[in-house]
Amino acid sequence: GAGVSQSPSNKVTEKGKDVELRCDPISGHTALYWYRQSLGQGLEFLIYFQGNSAPDKSGLPSDRFSAERTGGSVSTLTIQRTQQEDSAVYLCASSLAASGTSPPQFFGPGTRLTVL
Amino acid sequence: GENVEQHPSTLSVQEGDSAVIKCTYSDSASNYFPWYKQELGKGPQLIIDIRSNVGEKKDQRIAVTLNKTAKHFSLHITETQPEDSAVYFCAAKSSNDYKLSFGAGTTVTVRA
Repeated sequence: GAGVSQSPSNKVTEKGKDVELRCDPISGHTALYWYRQSLGQGLEFLIYFQGNSAPDKSGLPSDRFSAERTGGSVSTLTIQRTQQEDSAVYLCASSLAASGTSPPQFFGPGTRLTVL
Repeated sequence: GENVEQHPSTLSVQEGDSAVIKCTYSDSASNYFPWYKQELGKGPQLIIDIRSNVGEKKDQRIAVTLNKTAKHFSLHITETQPEDSAVYFCAAKSSNDYKLSFGAGTTVTVRA
């Protein structure tokens, strides 16, 4: 079946502009995660959605970052007033319900964001 | 929170030889340990995972071992092939959390 999809694959923006990144999880996966991967680094957790519960935003680096998930499916990560340090690959993952057991997380191809 | 350390950061092996990557974790409540392979320009791909109720798991040329007492786990790739060249990440997840904590990655190069 179809995996996690993300769009756009690449985004170049100017410092100070807002950007929106989109994630389409695997059908039937109720848990959705956003991670950030800076050049040569591991993955850094940003935010987590589970069903209709309030998201865990504890990993968001500043209040310029926000995310929403409409209808329990598609998610959008928004970065306002982008800064050069926001340049990174933004990865989305999804899994079956994350409570109890530890279901595998499957990643999308990522969006490479470059802030000039 | 959980802290995962991964070694080595780079690994070069001759085709046909074995490759071993080691990770340590800090949170004794961690009970799920996946390994991901990331090729250039692509997202991480889950290749194998192990849970804390087993000590070893194997899938064809890939195996993972877990030592809960020492809090470390390792990835073993046997009979390496050029297509095994990629960045490999280990991760750990606590039983009372849902997010994965990742190691910094190992760049594996298989020389033909």
